Amino acid sequence: AQRVTQPEKLLSVFKGAPVELKCNYSYSGSPELFWYVQYSRQRLQLLLRHISRESIKGFTADLNKGETSFHLKKPFAQEEDSAMYYCALNTDKLIFGTGTRLQVFP
Amino acid sequence: GAGVSQSPRYKVAKRGQDVALRCDPISGHVSLFWYQQALGQGPEFLTYFQNEAQLDKSGLPSDRFFAERPEGSVSTLKIQRTQQEDSAVYLCASSLIGGRAGLTGELFFGEGSRLTVL
Repeated sequence: AQRVTQPEKLLSVFKGAPVELKCNYSYSGSPELFWYVQYSRQRLQLLLRHISRESIKGFTADLNKGETSFHLKKPFAQEEDSAMYYCALNTDKLIFGTGTRLQVFP
Repeated sequence: GAGVSQSPRYKVAKRGQDVALRCDPISGHVSLFWYQQALGQGPEFLTYFQNEAQLDKSGLPSDRFFAERPEGSVSTLKIQRTQQEDSAVYLCASSLIGGRAGLTGELFFGEGSRLTVL
């Protein structure tokens, strides 16, 4: 079955703390994975994609095929990182996880 | 327009009423997607168009749901005889290119249409 799992509904940290938002996937093919973000009162938007191996707003995500994971990490969280984060898998359509709400307290 | 535009932003319908939700994608975008997002859930795929062709409608929950994109631009999602379980935010997204490759690029989302069925 094709599935994306985000086990945490809510993750709360203080400003400056490291952040890791977990994402695991189930897919028999070669996976293409993404992180999308939705800030308060804004539309869903692409944060980063694994094929680009990029760092956006200090966030990185590494595809680990052995663990079927694509966790999103940032070493020092900022208040403006507070948002809903969705992991997504390309299977000829994007399959989204249920999302993790990140709260960064001052 | 600058982005994907959806209307209405909010719709309240009585159970059994028909509704139509409109999506105006970014000009020139080949691919158009509809997603349904229930409260507390991630977006769930409904259907996909490449230009005017509906290539995948596997996510439509019942035959009460119908989508079209007759001229390869604006799309309409129609829900007939609405039920309470249809209450959700309906998201439209577009992508510049088609096919699976289009998904390796960026999907641009609209703000969504929030449907409440009483």
